[in-house]
Amino acid sequence: QVQLKETGPDLVQLTQTLSITCTVSGFSLTTYNVHWVRQPPGKGLEWMGAMWNGGGTDYNSAFKSRLSISRDTSKSQVFLKMNSLQTDDTAKYFCARHDWELDYWGQGVMVTVSS
Amino acid sequence: EIVLTQSPTTMAASPGEKVTLNCLASSSVSYMNWYQQKSGASPKLWIYGTSNLASGVPNRFSGSGSGTSYSLTISSMEAEDVATYYCLQLSSYPLTFGSGTKLEIK
Repeated sequence: QVQLKETGPDLVQLTQTLSITCTVSGFSLTTYNVHWVRQPPGKGLEWMGAMWNGGGTDYNSAFKSRLSISRDTSKSQVFLKMNSLQTDDTAKYFCARHDWELDYWGQGVMVTVSS
Repeated sequence: EIVLTQSPTTMAASPGEKVTLNCLASSSVSYMNWYQQKSGASPKLWIYGTSNLASGVPNRFSGSGSGTSYSLTISSMEAEDVATYYCLQLSSYPLTFGSGTKLEIK
């Protein structure tokens, strides 16, 4: 069955770099796109960017200067890397599969940026 | 960027009551998706393509709309429907979500 699982640090220091891995199963990264969405505590959902099945990427301009998305198809993994973290980057980070819809989501990883 | 405005922000409904949640887009979109999110959980695709129920969604839910105005309706509120509902547009990038409607039970 389709599964996505995010792994990453619980805590990141202010101005440091966040790295999260989304490991997928039940589908191929060369067939489906994977998106990243985040949700600050008690707030709404924010689209961050996408890894297309062809290997290209798209980013929300709100993050473009500090966000990078990549993948390793052999390991069925998509990577999110964001630098210069601030306290308002504290959020739960989700990866989600995209066919016509964002249909399957991971459980998310809660990341706290500490000063 | 297309801004999605959801209303109301919060509402409480009695069991059996009809509920309508709204999502207004700043520009016309081709269709709207809706997600249900319960506390501490990931969002679940609830309605796609404006009016199609995702797998497992009870048929008391329905979706409608076109252009800039969309809605999610629950014909008869049940306790298990307590959640926050978000609309999402995939017509143009960046993808954008509404700010959510928190639905509670009286």
